[in-house]
Amino acid sequence: DAGVTQSPTHLIKTRGQQVTLRCSPKSGHDTVSWYQQALGQGPQFIFQYYEEEERQRGNFPDRFSGHQFPNYSSELNVNALLLGDSALYLCASSLAGSNQPQHFGDGTRLSIL
Amino acid sequence: AQSVTQLDSHVSVSEGTPVLLRCNYSSSYSPSLFWYVQHPNKGLQLLLKYTSAATLVKGINGFEAEFKKSETSFHLTKPSAHMSDAAEYFCVVSDRGNNNDMRFGAGTRLTVKP
Repeated sequence: DAGVTQSPTHLIKTRGQQVTLRCSPKSGHDTVSWYQQALGQGPQFIFQYYEEEERQRGNFPDRFSGHQFPNYSSELNVNALLLGDSALYLCASSLAGSNQPQHFGDGTRLSIL
Repeated sequence: AQSVTQLDSHVSVSEGTPVLLRCNYSSSYSPSLFWYVQHPNKGLQLLLKYTSAATLVKGINGFEAEFKKSETSFHLTKPSAHMSDAAEYFCVVSDRGNNNDMRFGAGTRLTVKP
């Protein structure tokens, strides 16, 4: 039973470029959340997808967008990359419900030059 | 909105001695509380969760945490530290009325000395 898988594991981009990160949830999970973890900090909630719709959003600009597919997998897109977007991007999946724990992937390390 | 404060950014213990990682929370609703562990360059692994059942919660690897509503605390403990416990630990709060929006603390780095 595969857990949450994310791709790619590492990515290097330059300022102004666009990036797409991918996530496959744990088998049986229907909800996907994305987090940004800057170096030395805790993860910050970006947004959550359920039934192919953005259900909740944290304090991130519109440059950050996402998508969920019918098979529950998800993408995170970031446009007009800034140096400050350098971080570990974590995907977490869970079952819908207010007290279900989230299971995390190992993340994508994004570096902006 | 809910929030979490981890009271220590770094805790250092000797192998075989007790571990205490402190967490205070703020929540408008009845909270769910979690502790996650993160090893270097890895994602987060769930240690334990509190969701309004027993206030003393047992998790994996010998960790446990006690929910104290009067103190708005959810401290993580382990009777005897092992070298493999060295990692970053995150306390997390989720308002059950808020669709699983999880808020993380800043983390506590646990160092275990031989």
